[in-house]
Amino acid sequence: LAKTTQPISMDSYEGQEVNITCSHNNIATNDYITWYQQFPSQGPRFIIQGYKTKVTNEVASLFIPADRKSSTLSLPRVSLSDTAVYYCLVGDGRGSTLGRLYFGRGTQLTVWP
Amino acid sequence: NAGVTQTPKFRVLKTGQSMTLLCAQDMNHEYMYWYRQDPGMGLRLIHYSVGEGTTAKGEVPDGYNVSRLKKQNFLLGLESAAPSQTSVYFCASSYVRGRLYEQYFGPGTRLTVT
Repeated sequence: LAKTTQPISMDSYEGQEVNITCSHNNIATNDYITWYQQFPSQGPRFIIQGYKTKVTNEVASLFIPADRKSSTLSLPRVSLSDTAVYYCLVGDGRGSTLGRLYFGRGTQLTVWP
Repeated sequence: NAGVTQTPKFRVLKTGQSMTLLCAQDMNHEYMYWYRQDPGMGLRLIHYSVGEGTTAKGEVPDGYNVSRLKKQNFLLGLESAAPSQTSVYFCASSYVRGRLYEQYFGPGTRLTVT
């Protein structure tokens, strides 16, 4: 499975749009890109998943360029409650590849008032 | 639905002691996972299971054993605890829809080994 590279930390202010980019140069044809959010003392929570182009839900948008070697999680108008660690995960979800799941260290997003 | 639950929430062990962490899910998920998370680190996969009666090793399996006798339960055992196993342990489960997968995590177990 492809390993991912993300910035260690990012800072933003309330009301701004935040874009977190994840690099996954070795992504395979069958891989999907999944983002998770983790608050302190809690388990990660699924945010969004996509394969190509753009995916949007009530929480975030995910932009994936044509070559799929990177992806960008976009959080519109962040608030203090969006302060969390964000993980990018790449994989196809098949049982034979689950042993190589790689969460990495994620990106610590801190939102300031 | 309770989702994914973990027992216990906290535990302190002495070096050499053994214990079992229990994970239960009520979503009828096929896949289940055990992760550990150390301070400032991401999650590392210990063991996983793709179905009842099956288990497999993840990235950091040494010092741990697992069992999945029932579909809804996934047990993580430490036979002889070491201080290096001080960590927060997360259990997760997931289903598969086509090629998509989404993991649901439990609240974690904070384990300290002295």
